[in-house]
Amino acid sequence: KAGVTQTPRYLIKTRGQQVTLSCSPISGHRSVSWYQQTPGQGLQFLFEYFSETQRNKGNFPGRFSGRQFSNSRSEMNVSTLELGDSALYLCASSLDGTVLNQPQHFGDGTRLSIL
Amino acid sequence: AQSVTQLDSHVSVSEGTPVLLRCNYSSSYSPSLFWYVQHPNKGLQLLLKYTSAATLVKGINGFEAEFKKSETSFHLTKPSAHMSDAAEYFCVVSRGSQGNLIFGKGTKLSVKP
Repeated sequence: KAGVTQTPRYLIKTRGQQVTLSCSPISGHRSVSWYQQTPGQGLQFLFEYFSETQRNKGNFPGRFSGRQFSNSRSEMNVSTLELGDSALYLCASSLDGTVLNQPQHFGDGTRLSIL
Repeated sequence: AQSVTQLDSHVSVSEGTPVLLRCNYSSSYSPSLFWYVQHPNKGLQLLLKYTSAATLVKGINGFEAEFKKSETSFHLTKPSAHMSDAAEYFCVVSRGSQGNLIFGKGTKLSVKP
């Protein structure tokens, strides 16, 4: 069974640009969550999608958005990039996002660097 | 509100000696707790989880953790460290039924030969 796939693995952008990251969950998983990992703030929850609907959202500005498609694949978009957006972005999938059906399975992440 | 505190940012042990990574949690109701491991440039891998069943939880690669409600702790242990255990370890609490995870700051484990 294939794991969670994130593309691209590495990305370099400049301030002001926008970026789209992609996540393909494990087959059959309908919940996809996104996390930002930085040395200073650690791992922080961005949002969770389930059945194409954003079900939960963390405390990030509106520049961070996402969507989920009918095949459960998810994309995350960051607009007007800032230097502080440099981070490892992790995607995780689970059957339905409930505690009982944890754990979440993580991809290897997309490392975004802002110049 | 839920939170986790990992008491050590860095732990160093010698190969073959025991490992203890400490985690305290705060939760307004019965929590679900997890330990994840992250190797360099990799995503997170689940080591073990506690979801109100047995208080001593066994995980992969010889790790185990004990849930102690009276101490609000969920420490991770392993009897004998291996070089391949060198990684960063995260204690995690699940926030509510939606499954959002709240991560501790992480403990970097170094294993000396």
